[in-house]
Amino acid sequence: DQQVKQNSPSLSVQEGRISILNCDYTNSMFDYFLWYKKYPAEGPTFLISISSIKDKNEDGRFTVFLNKSAKHLSLHIVPSQPGDSAVYFCAAIVGGGADGLTFGKGTHLIIQP
Amino acid sequence: NAGVMQNPRHLVRRRGQEARLRCSPMKGHSHVYWYRQLPEEGLKFMVYLQKENIIDESGMPKERFSAEFPKEGPSILRIQQVVRGDSAAYFCASSPLVGYEQYFGPGTRLTVT
Repeated sequence: DQQVKQNSPSLSVQEGRISILNCDYTNSMFDYFLWYKKYPAEGPTFLISISSIKDKNEDGRFTVFLNKSAKHLSLHIVPSQPGDSAVYFCAAIVGGGADGLTFGKGTHLIIQP
Repeated sequence: NAGVMQNPRHLVRRRGQEARLRCSPMKGHSHVYWYRQLPEEGLKFMVYLQKENIIDESGMPKERFSAEFPKEGPSILRIQQVVRGDSAAYFCASSPLVGYEQYFGPGTRLTVT
């Protein structure tokens, strides 16, 4: 039973355009959401997070949107750059809880020149 | 401020041998988490530890796997009598606060031959 789903295994976007990565979750107890970026043979790097009390959080080129009623979040990257090519993981947790993060399977973002 | 350190980066073991994976959290972080990533999968939570205590081991197989985080020294994930199915990337993460952002190490890639 996958509680965090990333339904697009890959996404190709032209350099300079907007990249939109999507994530759905089923567990209504989750109230803190995170995005990680991962290069091959490296550990995941924390990008941005959002609490369920907000519907948007922005940090530079990265913006995360949360739609609690739809149990959906998205990561927007604008403008997309070649260095953004990586696998992006969505993760969720019950904030302050003792559980580990629950991850989606990831979306491989490819930025084309 | 050094990040999360893991060693070894690569570990090859024959079936039936023991594997010991080490993790040193970021300075000032007292919460340590272990995750496993199988090929083409997301990261799966295994265990959450604080100094000298296992807080949540709900994701860890009941047999052959154990973890510790002693008062002094790194956290250790120990796999006894390894089998081919244990081949995976094992990531350690640490956080200053429970239930929020976690910061990952580079991982240990275990290959069982």
